[in-house]
Amino acid sequence: SAVISQKPSRDICQRGTSLTIQCQVDSQVTMMFWYRQQPGQSLTLIATANQGSEATYESGFVIDKFPISRPNLTFSTLTVSNMSPEDSSIYLCSVLSPGETQYFGPGTRLLVL
Amino acid sequence: DAKTTQPPSMDCAEGRAANLPCNHSTISGNEYVYWYRQIHSQGPQYIIHGLKNNETNEMASLIITEDRKSSTLILPHATLRDTAVYYCIVRAGSGGSNYKLTFGKGTLLTVNP
Repeated sequence: SAVISQKPSRDICQRGTSLTIQCQVDSQVTMMFWYRQQPGQSLTLIATANQGSEATYESGFVIDKFPISRPNLTFSTLTVSNMSPEDSSIYLCSVLSPGETQYFGPGTRLLVL
Repeated sequence: DAKTTQPPSMDCAEGRAANLPCNHSTISGNEYVYWYRQIHSQGPQYIIHGLKNNETNEMASLIITEDRKSSTLILPHATLRDTAVYYCIVRAGSGGSNYKLTFGKGTLLTVNP
């Protein structure tokens, strides 16, 4: 399985600001995914990020709020823009292995005040 | 993707087998059954997956009924560290948006000493 790291592991931010979360994987992967887990809830897919193309967003998520970059096959970023307390969540990236199984990073815990 | 139904919670004694059921009565012929677990807000951990046949790895066994409408994840000798939320997810085979995972509420397994 892939080794996935995320930065930062946690942060406390003020409303109205933006935070960029980084996801690094130790091998080249074609597909990366970003999920959100709100307090007490299950995971919800935000978008799929393929290298060399724009991210594909799920219903209810828009690029202006959650811009994503995928500059190469081992790295992606998710920005949470113009944050409000409702954005307080765990944000997780995952990658699709060559065996077509998704593996998840440790998550970024975000608290917006 | 087919919807899955899991009990919200289960208890198991340490050292005993934990059998976690999952119903997926609307599963299609090309859909796989995946199991993940999430230990206290960490990133989900992949456990096992299968299509038709029973599967076993170093973590668990997956038993899929002949009609594929239900499955059981078996942890043969549960330990306290197996306390987690277990997610049963049905995912289509290869190609495009088929790779995304739809998480339900899962089953909270509590292993008691």
